[in-house]
Amino acid sequence: GDSVTQMEGPVTLSEEAFLTINCTYTATGYPSLFWYVQYPGEGLQLLLKATKADDKGSNKGFEATYRKETTSFHLEKGSVQVSDSAVYFCALGRMDSNYQLIWGAGTKLIIKP
Amino acid sequence: DVKVTQSSRYLVKRTGEKVFLECVQDMDHENMFWYRQDPGLGLRLIYFSYDVKMKEKGDIPEGYSVSREKKERFSLILESASTNQTSMYLCASRNNYGYTFGSGTRLTVV
Repeated sequence: GDSVTQMEGPVTLSEEAFLTINCTYTATGYPSLFWYVQYPGEGLQLLLKATKADDKGSNKGFEATYRKETTSFHLEKGSVQVSDSAVYFCALGRMDSNYQLIWGAGTKLIIKP
Repeated sequence: DVKVTQSSRYLVKRTGEKVFLECVQDMDHENMFWYRQDPGLGLRLIYFSYDVKMKEKGDIPEGYSVSREKKERFSLILESASTNQTSMYLCASRNNYGYTFGSGTRLTVV
């Protein structure tokens, strides 16, 4: 069945460092891919998404490119801020399952000033 | 601003109690979901509902039930709470544009 694998956290970086959080998936066909973010004490918010191969999703300085050849959707940001500290979830969704989401385990990101 | 509201942020219940977790959305979404979130396990789907009075089991329904009597309200019920149900519970609703999550209820069963 479908699955999503994220790099384990926590990931600890200094402010202004470059961020990569790896996400790979296993799926047949052409799912949509998502990154959600959960700030402390809050629910999850959609950060960005991509619906087909080679699409790039972007929001708030974060980017991720849907790479079908490597089945990956890595999250990147060029210069992180303390306010980016959160838990990041990669997820996969299918139109034929009414876009129910398959979730990665989440990666906690800690940014130190 | 659209909202999914969970009635409690924190709950402490005793083993064997019947527990109700309430979720209300104001977006007229048909689809609603209950997840539990545990460290290292991500989000696991407990139950979901596509319409009023309709419910479907998710990946981990054992020990839980749900109720959807009105479109805006989706309740999660722990018939007899156990310590292994200590967790963060997240409610979500969905339309064609994506999911909206509530802030979560952290339930501790003692």
